[in-house]
Amino acid sequence: GAGVSQSPSNKVTEKGKDVELRCDPISGHTALYWYRQSLGQGLEFLIYFQGNSAPDKSGLPSDRFSAERTGGSVSTLTIQRTQQEDSAVYLCASSSVSGNQPQHFGDGTRLSIL
Amino acid sequence: QQQVKQSPQSLIVQKGGISIINCAYENTAFDYFPWYQQFPGKGPALLIAIRPDVSEKKEGRFTISFNKSAKQFSLHIMDSQPGDSATYFCAASMGENNDMRFGAGTRLTVKP
Repeated sequence: GAGVSQSPSNKVTEKGKDVELRCDPISGHTALYWYRQSLGQGLEFLIYFQGNSAPDKSGLPSDRFSAERTGGSVSTLTIQRTQQEDSAVYLCASSSVSGNQPQHFGDGTRLSIL
Repeated sequence: QQQVKQSPQSLIVQKGGISIINCAYENTAFDYFPWYQQFPGKGPALLIAIRPDVSEKKEGRFTISFNKSAKQFSLHIMDSQPGDSATYFCAASMGENNDMRFGAGTRLTVKP
């Protein structure tokens, strides 16, 4: 079946611009996660959505970062007034139910801030 | 605070050899330990996972060894192949929200 889909696959933008990154989770998966992966580094948790519950935003690095999930499916991660340190690969993952389930990842959006 | 420590950072193994990657965790509330494999330009893909009620899990050439008392777990890749060359991440999760923490990754190179 279809996996987690992320778009765009690559995004180049100028410092100070806003960007929107999209994630389509696996159909039926109620949990959705956003991570950031800097070059050669591990995965940094950003935000978690589960069903209709309030999202866990504890990993968002600043108030320039926000995310929403409409209708319990598609999610958008927005970065306002981008900075060069925002350059990274942004990964989205989904899982079928919360608690001790594998997370399935998309291939990410590679964001480059000039 | 890094909750999952992974070593080595990089590893070079000859074809046919055994690759061993180690992870240690701090929080005893973790109750699910997956390993992910990531190729360049791709997202991490689940390789194998273990829960703390078993000490070992084997799937094909891949084995997880788990030591609950030492709070350590490791990935063994038997008969390593050049196609196994990738970055490997260990992880640990807990709770209903599947709060997952990742190690920093190990870049494995298998030489033909």
